[in-house]
Amino acid sequence: AQKVTQAQTEISVVEKEDVTLDCVYETRDTTYYLFWYKQPPSGELVFLIRRNSFDEQNEISGRYSWNFQKSTSSFNFTITASQVVDSAVYFCARKGADGLTFGKGTHLIIQP
Amino acid sequence: NAGVTQTPKFQVLKTGQSMTLQCAQDMNHEYMSWYRQDPGMGLRLIHYSVGAGITDQGEVPNGYNVSRSTTEDFPLRLLSAAPSQTSVYFCASSYTTATGYTFGSGTRLTVV
Repeated sequence: AQKVTQAQTEISVVEKEDVTLDCVYETRDTTYYLFWYKQPPSGELVFLIRRNSFDEQNEISGRYSWNFQKSTSSFNFTITASQVVDSAVYFCARKGADGLTFGKGTHLIIQP
Repeated sequence: NAGVTQTPKFQVLKTGQSMTLQCAQDMNHEYMSWYRQDPGMGLRLIHYSVGAGITDQGEVPNGYNVSRSTTEDFPLRLLSAAPSQTSVYFCASSYTTATGYTFGSGTRLTVV
């Protein structure tokens, strides 16, 4: 199976700090899609972003930004000026010919 | 527009019992899938469907059955519940396999 690796199991920072969540993926596909999802303590899964393999432009949405680098098979997620409401588990996922594969998630704790 | 609706939200089964987890979407999405989430494991694909009448196995299909008689509904059947099937189950749908996935709120299943 082509894996998605989120090496950081848990990250704890103080509010207003910047934090980057790492995601490294394996793929044999030429065309694939990458996703980030947020799972707050309430348990639902919230879609954050989708990126296709042909678009390496970085994306910024408010305090969130994503850095996609095909050369290193990475799709990292940065939260600027973190807030307590950002506390959640964040999942990176890859969609290829074999379906949607999730990483094991990074538990982000933002301390006030 | 209700999105993806999963029922029930909670269920306790005895070993050997069977039951069906319901999933319905009202977005006319062709692609639907079932995942299970276990602590430290991320989400793993059980079964998926690319349209009415078409289903296929994912990473962990054993002990589960699915059917897709309509575009809207994608029920997941546990044939003979086992304690190893204690998990949180999520249903997801998307317009195509490449677009963002919308997840239901999950079903927490306990098998005793």
